[in-house]
Amino acid sequence: QSVLTQPPSVSGAPGQRVTISCTGSSSNIGAGYDVHWYQHLPRTAPKLLIFGNSNRPSGVPDRFSGSKSGTSASLAITGLQAEDEADYYCQSYDNSLSGWVFGGGTKLTVL
Amino acid sequence: QLQLQESGPGLVKPSETLSLTCTVSGGSISSANYYWAWIRQPPGKGLDWIGSIFYSGSTDYNPSLKSRATISVDTSKNQFSLKLSSVTAADTALYYCAREYLVGATSAFFDIWGQGTMVTVSS
Repeated sequence: QSVLTQPPSVSGAPGQRVTISCTGSSSNIGAGYDVHWYQHLPRTAPKLLIFGNSNRPSGVPDRFSGSKSGTSASLAITGLQAEDEADYYCQSYDNSLSGWVFGGGTKLTVL
Repeated sequence: QLQLQESGPGLVKPSETLSLTCTVSGGSISSANYYWAWIRQPPGKGLDWIGSIFYSGSTDYNPSLKSRATISVDTSKNQFSLKLSSVTAADTALYYCAREYLVGATSAFFDIWGQGTMVTVSS
């Protein structure tokens, strides 16, 4: 059971918009700690997608965006492409565990 | 550009100690801006932070693993290592090393990852 809760799966057709939620609590996201997002393609290293809630590293398309409100955060992907099919993870800090925590991951399927 | 590469045995017997090394190339491990982390992913499950180390040797650990995990650094070899003692089948996982960019005491993200190495605990 992950500290941060994500839906196990989401799907969308090419060109559509999908969102992935990351729900936490008052000891992590709700305490104001930053949320970061990663994309994990099969048999590759995870890739940083969003840092500091809504910032994109250089090279990440602006189709990817992040937001945070209250005890939750969201990753939005617009103009869905086949290459976006991957697992997505959120990550934050938890003060009751005194460490970095990840969500359970969400598998995105492009129909 | 900076690259990380994990190495170590792919098979460890129950109750023994798992030992992995991460070699950093294309940059120095002795950077004031970064910690160096171990993260694992059990089969079919999500990511789990194990712990992190600064080049000075300062460490942070996941409390659930703190009693069994030891992370060390060798700046002369540009490497850092993980030892996990008394392993069980539950420690079977894909183990990643990663660079941890520390924004503040309660904010950090992992911006560069190794490819990962699979470790199976079995007799």
